[in-house]
Amino acid sequence: EAGVTQSPTHLIKTRGQQATLRCSPISGHTSVYWYQQALGLGLQFLLWYDEGEERNRGNFPPRFSGRQFPNYSSELNVNALELEDSALYLCASSSLQGYGYTFGSGTRLTVV
Amino acid sequence: TQLLEQSPQFLSIQEGENLTVYCNSSSVFSSLQWYRQEPGEGPVLLVTVVTGGEVKKLKRLTFQFGDARKDSSLHITAAQPGDTGLYLCAGERGAGNMLTFGGGTRLMVKP
Repeated sequence: EAGVTQSPTHLIKTRGQQATLRCSPISGHTSVYWYQQALGLGLQFLLWYDEGEERNRGNFPPRFSGRQFPNYSSELNVNALELEDSALYLCASSSLQGYGYTFGSGTRLTVV
Repeated sequence: TQLLEQSPQFLSIQEGENLTVYCNSSSVFSSLQWYRQEPGEGPVLLVTVVTGGEVKKLKRLTFQFGDARKDSSLHITAAQPGDTGLYLCAGERGAGNMLTFGGGTRLMVKP
């Protein structure tokens, strides 16, 4: 069974540009979660999608947005990139019936 | 302010030593999970505890959920260099809800 896949692995953007990150969940998982991890420490919750709808949003500005497609894959968009957006962006999926997330390996976004 | 406070933030020990990592909160969680993350990878689930007072053992790792379901601990016996990594606790309020993560404990075990 394929795990959670994220693309691209690395992304380098210039301040002010837009970045698009993609995530494919484990087959059968309808929930997708996005987290930001800066400085290799704790994870900050960004967005939660389930069945194509945004269920919850973390304390991030509106320039962080996303969507979930009918096949449950998801996209995270970051507009007007700032230097402090540089971080590892992690996507996870879960089944609503179970506990625990399965994470992808992340997209390392660097804003220069 | 972190909803889940982990301590210590950093821990460097010699192979063979024991250690305990703590995860504390003023909030009640329906479950508490522990993850381990290695450089360049996403966190990997180690264990989920759901019942107050529950103790789970995974080889040399012992996980405990507090009676009031507000705190948890991870104890590693006879640490090995392979245990090196970032340990994260995460609380969930209801199955399928978003997880709230602690700030992490970075463990280094020296040979």
